[in-house]
Amino acid sequence: EAEVAQSPRYKITEKSQAVAFWCDPISGHATLYWYRQILGQGPELLVQFQDESVVDDSQLPKDRFSAERLKGVDSTLKIQPAELGDSAMYLCASSLGGPQDSYEQYFGPGTRLTVT
Amino acid sequence: AQSVAQPEDQVNVAEGNPLTVKCTYSVSGNPYLFWYVQYPNRGLQFLLKYITGDNLVKGSYGFEAEFNKSQTSFHLKKPSALVSDSALYFCAVRPYTGRRALTFGSGTRLQVQP
Repeated sequence: EAEVAQSPRYKITEKSQAVAFWCDPISGHATLYWYRQILGQGPELLVQFQDESVVDDSQLPKDRFSAERLKGVDSTLKIQPAELGDSAMYLCASSLGGPQDSYEQYFGPGTRLTVT
Repeated sequence: AQSVAQPEDQVNVAEGNPLTVKCTYSVSGNPYLFWYVQYPNRGLQFLLKYITGDNLVKGSYGFEAEFNKSQTSFHLKKPSALVSDSALYFCAVRPYTGRRALTFGSGTRLQVQP
């Protein structure tokens, strides 16, 4: 069964350092999402891509966070500089998008970030 | 803006008993509703969805959910709980049109005792 891949699974970094996360969605999925899940809470959207275009980044802290999906396939989320409050699970999800979309999103295993 | 409420932080049930995990939502227009399950240090796994049609939807692992438009609820149910059902459950909503990203509730921890 096809899965969303994410790496690394765990990342420990010091505050003010840069950190990057990678996501490879299910093949053929046009829509890619990055969510942040703080411990004890539900995931919250950071950014949504349709192919290579950003369609929603209203909740992305753009002073320190950036995201790209250059060829409309895999994606990278970067934080620079990291702050203590960025400690969370970063989840990537994908869906078909388009007229064949079945609406459910498929999630990767996540990257657990700890900022010290 | 849409929102989801899961009023119970934790639900405890004995193995073999029926379980219910509650969810209410707020969204403009018709909703698309979802349930996901999360095991420790894992991503979310899709359980079931309501898009349109029959108000009772069946999903993975014997779970089902009932959409109630008048009460804006989408409670998750299972007739007979298993110890292996113990996990964190999230309800999510998105509107029929517009923003496709999901808005999640805060989650309910289900503990099934042997």
